Amino acid sequence: DVKVTQSSRYLVKRTGEKVFLECVQDMDHENMFWYRQDPGLGLRLIYFSYDVKMKEKGDIPEGYSVSREKKERFSLILESASTNQTSMYLCASSRRDAAGEKLFFGSGTQLSVL
Amino acid sequence: GESVGLHLPTLSVQEGDNSIINCAYSNSASDYFIWYKQESGKGPQFIIDIRSNMDKRQGQRVTVLLNKTVKHLSLQIAATQPGDSAVYFCAETAGWGTLTFGKGTMLLVSP
Repeated sequence: DVKVTQSSRYLVKRTGEKVFLECVQDMDHENMFWYRQDPGLGLRLIYFSYDVKMKEKGDIPEGYSVSREKKERFSLILESASTNQTSMYLCASSRRDAAGEKLFFGSGTQLSVL
Repeated sequence: GESVGLHLPTLSVQEGDNSIINCAYSNSASDYFIWYKQESGKGPQFIIDIRSNMDKRQGQRVTVLLNKTVKHLSLQIAATQPGDSAVYFCAETAGWGTLTFGKGTMLLVSP
């Protein structure tokens, strides 16, 4: 089974701090994604990556950056955390196959910015 | 912009009933659809998918129906169990695009 591991289940940070959210997948998937999930808004795509050292902006990239130095690892960076970035962050990975793109998700990191 | 949506934010059923969760999509170019289940405190879990060249696909206790004419997708769960209680999301994509998710429907199963 695919395993997507997010390094922290809960994080509490202060406004202005630099925050790193780490994600590792063990299935050699080419594609990795970061979403945030908020009540009433569903899942919104922040950034994604189709290959090492490649990154693409999603729907809401402002205030975030990402790093993909190795195929299995995709990091989300909040350069200067703000209270409106309090959210559940979900990492996912996928490979392209003939049937489309099945995303496999981690368990999420609940980030609170105070 | 085009988006994926849901008709019912909350669906309450009795254990043993069949459940139907609906989803409307607006992108006529969408050609691949997925249903995810998300239990409390967990990430979304893949349930079943369907391509646009099909109108029905069955899994274990679940069936996905696709009506391209009215751009409607549904998830049917047979003999619903308390363990089926969760939020269900539909998602769609067109070509090589990224998935777009609906806002989710909460399914509540009473014993």
